[in-house]
Amino acid sequence: EVQLVESGGGLVQPGGSLRLSCVASGFTFSGFWMHWVRQVPGKGLVWVSRINGDGSSTNYADSVKGRFTSSRDSAKKTLYLQMNSLRAEDTAVYYCGRDRDGDGMVDYWGQGTLVTVSS
Amino acid sequence: QSALTQPASVSGSPGQSITISCTGTSSDVGSYNLVSWYQQHPGKAPKLMIYEVNKWPSGVSDRFSGFKSGNTAFLTISGLQAEDEADYYCCSYTSSRKLVFGGGTKLTVL
Repeated sequence: EVQLVESGGGLVQPGGSLRLSCVASGFTFSGFWMHWVRQVPGKGLVWVSRINGDGSSTNYADSVKGRFTSSRDSAKKTLYLQMNSLRAEDTAVYYCGRDRDGDGMVDYWGQGTLVTVSS
Repeated sequence: QSALTQPASVSGSPGQSITISCTGTSSDVGSYNLVSWYQQHPGKAPKLMIYEVNKWPSGVSDRFSGFKSGNTAFLTISGLQAEDEADYYCCSYTSSRKLVFGGGTKLTVL
């Protein structure tokens, strides 16, 4: 059974850092692109980043480029999102999702982890 | 990258059909057959319903169908059921090698 489990969310002050994790199981982790997508409670989905199977290629939304870094550890079957210089507008539920070709077919999603940026 | 444009809400009665539009640009929807649709119930993760404009993932009902014309994609749900009431989001691959979502459409089954 395919499972994605996020963790690492919490309360952080503006300007602070946080690292999210997404542990994968039930599939060949290195064979899939992985995405991060966020959602402010009550609002819509917003794409954040994607990373290819071996971690050699990444793309980011303009709103997080230069502040967020996506990476992955194939041995641990874990996807990461390092978030620096956090702003209040980064407050959201963050979901990870797997995608066969990286082009939007996100067929499995995690349950999400809430990040709150506030003083 | 601006969000794709979807109607804020649509509604229909059980058994009827509804269609949700998703308008992008020539840099996303218009250039690629890489439009997907997601269903999201309150408090739940999104669920893939359609990918590559008109393909079904395993286990998704064929009451859901998709098509595209120019810069606009469409999701049609036929034979509406109470369980279809949810938020629906379109998503497209873009020429800048990113994804962009629509703002979401709330479907109400009357």
